[in-house]
Amino acid sequence: QLQLQESGPGLVKPSETLSLTCTVSGGSISSTNYFWGWIRQPPGKGLEWLGTIYYSGSTYYNPSLKSRVTISVDTSKNQFSLKLSSLTAADTAVYYCARQEYSSSSVAFDIWGQGTMVTVSS
Amino acid sequence: QSVLTQPPSASGTPGQRVTISCSGSSSNIQSNYVYWYRQLPGTAPKLLIYRDNQRPSGVPDRFSGSKSGTSASLAISGLRSEDEADYYCAAWDDSLSGEVFGGGTKLTVL
Repeated sequence: QLQLQESGPGLVKPSETLSLTCTVSGGSISSTNYFWGWIRQPPGKGLEWLGTIYYSGSTYYNPSLKSRVTISVDTSKNQFSLKLSSLTAADTAVYYCARQEYSSSSVAFDIWGQGTMVTVSS
Repeated sequence: QSVLTQPPSASGTPGQRVTISCSGSSSNIQSNYVYWYRQLPGTAPKLLIYRDNQRPSGVPDRFSGSKSGTSASLAISGLRSEDEADYYCAAWDDSLSGEVFGGGTKLTVL
């Protein structure tokens, strides 16, 4: 059974860069049938898509965050990662990684990690 | 302000049928598929409906999705206490070239 697990720091300082990793187990990140995405949720608020990557390394990002977001993949470790730069308190959120249907214009995230809380504070 | 608009709250009694709306535009709902997620407190969202009205394996047929023009709806029939959760709609937006979520609807089972 495929599982995703986020890892990274729970506390980051303003202006710094957040680095999170999602480890995929029980299946291959190199599957041609899926994308892999990052979504976040500020406390008490709704969901926001950050970006998506294919195992080949091709990416697409939320236009409102594009200048600050970088997503990469390491197929040898079955992992994909998120970097978010120039952090402010507004970036405080639960960050989820998820598997996404490989289909044009699809927003089908069918398997999610449990999420990791990231707080931006000095 | 979310690109997709949902009512912040909805409610119903056990056994009742409730619907949750999601309003968008020609660049998202009208021209692309709509997806629905359910999020129980303290847990990750779960895909409930994909491609407007398809249910993933394991999702009961009490849940159904529909779409007309620039709006979509999620219907839950035979409401149960365990349906109390937050519900989100989502779609691709051609103008933004990105994936957008609604602000979410908190469903209360009275």
